[in-house]
Amino acid sequence: SYVLTQPPSVSVAPGQTARITCGGNNIGSKSVHWYQQKPGQAPVVVVYDNSDRPSGIPERFSGSNSGNTATLTISRVEAGDEADYSCQVWDSSSDPWVFGGGTKLTVL
Amino acid sequence: QVTLRESGPALVKPTQTLTLTCTFSGFSLNTSGMCVNWIRQPPGKALEWLALIDWDDDKYYSTSLKTRLTISKDTSKNQVVLTMTNMDPVDTATYFCARIVAAGLLSDWYFDLWGRGTLVTVSS
Repeated sequence: SYVLTQPPSVSVAPGQTARITCGGNNIGSKSVHWYQQKPGQAPVVVVYDNSDRPSGIPERFSGSNSGNTATLTISRVEAGDEADYSCQVWDSSSDPWVFGGGTKLTVL
Repeated sequence: QVTLRESGPALVKPTQTLTLTCTFSGFSLNTSGMCVNWIRQPPGKALEWLALIDWDDDKYYSTSLKTRLTISKDTSKNQVVLTMTNMDPVDTATYFCARIVAAGLLSDWYFDLWGRGTLVTVSS
């Protein structure tokens, strides 16, 4: 089955840039989507198709994908960005929709 | 406004069958391209996709759980129901329903809207 690897935690000071990685075998050939989860709330897609943003998502959220690593970048981090972030791809060799383990973003 | 809401028992006993309902609004499962999924997340663990039902009543299941899962829809009520048999404590998780709008390549599909989830605890 296809495995996506994320760091368990990332910490960043307000106003700085947070980068959350998602590793997978040749993930650069796949479309990667990113979800934000806050406690008690519905998950929200913040980036889809590697680098597209749904309407209503701030431009501070961006994504890239190449080789074996996809990255979610959050610029000018705010306290309200503190959440868990999970990456997701579609894979034909296993259960089709695969998620990474999630990364907890802490705003110091 | 598109919303999804999960409902079901908070507590089930081992070996029992779990029945969860996703009630949605703002779209119809009669509309081409609409799909509703079930996804779960054990406490402190990763999200896990479970099942999908689409506008054409096609159904797809997690390989590891397919013998225990059944997904169905009632388009007149705007509901999708998931049943999971033979529940075990390891099935303790928050269960989410989420929409996919099927467009373009299958490999590009993603979950554009989610419910808040419902926590199900399996314990005797």
